[in-house]
Amino acid sequence: AQTVTQSQPEMSVQEAETVTLSCTYDTSESDYYLFWYKQPPSRQMILVIRQEAYKQQNATENRFSVNFQKAAKSFSLKISDSQLGDAAMYFCAYTGTGNQFYFGTGTSLTVIP
Amino acid sequence: SQTIHQWPATLVQPVGSPLSLECTVEGTSNPNLYWYRQAAGRGLQLLFYSVGIGQISSEVPQNLSASRPQDRQFILSSKKLLLSDSGFYLCAWSPGGAANYGYTFGSGTRLTVV
Repeated sequence: AQTVTQSQPEMSVQEAETVTLSCTYDTSESDYYLFWYKQPPSRQMILVIRQEAYKQQNATENRFSVNFQKAAKSFSLKISDSQLGDAAMYFCAYTGTGNQFYFGTGTSLTVIP
Repeated sequence: SQTIHQWPATLVQPVGSPLSLECTVEGTSNPNLYWYRQAAGRGLQLLFYSVGIGQISSEVPQNLSASRPQDRQFILSSKKLLLSDSGFYLCAWSPGGAANYGYTFGSGTRLTVV
């Protein structure tokens, strides 16, 4: 069974600094997709970034980038130049050949002014 | 473009009362539809998912049920609410066939059972 693990329940970062959120997953599938979702205080789930497992190049979206290590089954999210609006719960997620997502338990990010 | 609507946004219901939460998707056909629950400060728990009209898969046995009477409509129901049903409920959709491009979530319903 697929599992997604986020070992950091809480993280904090100074405004304008860089922070990395960790995520590991377990799967026997070779073709899959990984995601990071952001849930701000409004609780609306927002897709931040998507990575296709067959692509070696790490995905980037503006200040957000990932470090995808397929062999290690690791998928960390780096937020550069952190802003107050980045404060949120961040969820790592996996989907493979089926229709279901598997979510991690989330990391609560605090941005310190 | 595709949009997802979920209502109501907030609901306070007494224990033992019925529940009906509705989710509709516009701008697509034959979507996969999902209901998730999120307890305060915790992760997402998949409750039900549907790949077509009348096709419901339940992930967690409980006093909730789901129905999909139309292609783009997904309803979460309960005949008698429990205190433990309080939480934040999220509806989501993905294109039929696979969720490779991710889920799109509704804005959620905050349910408080009193």
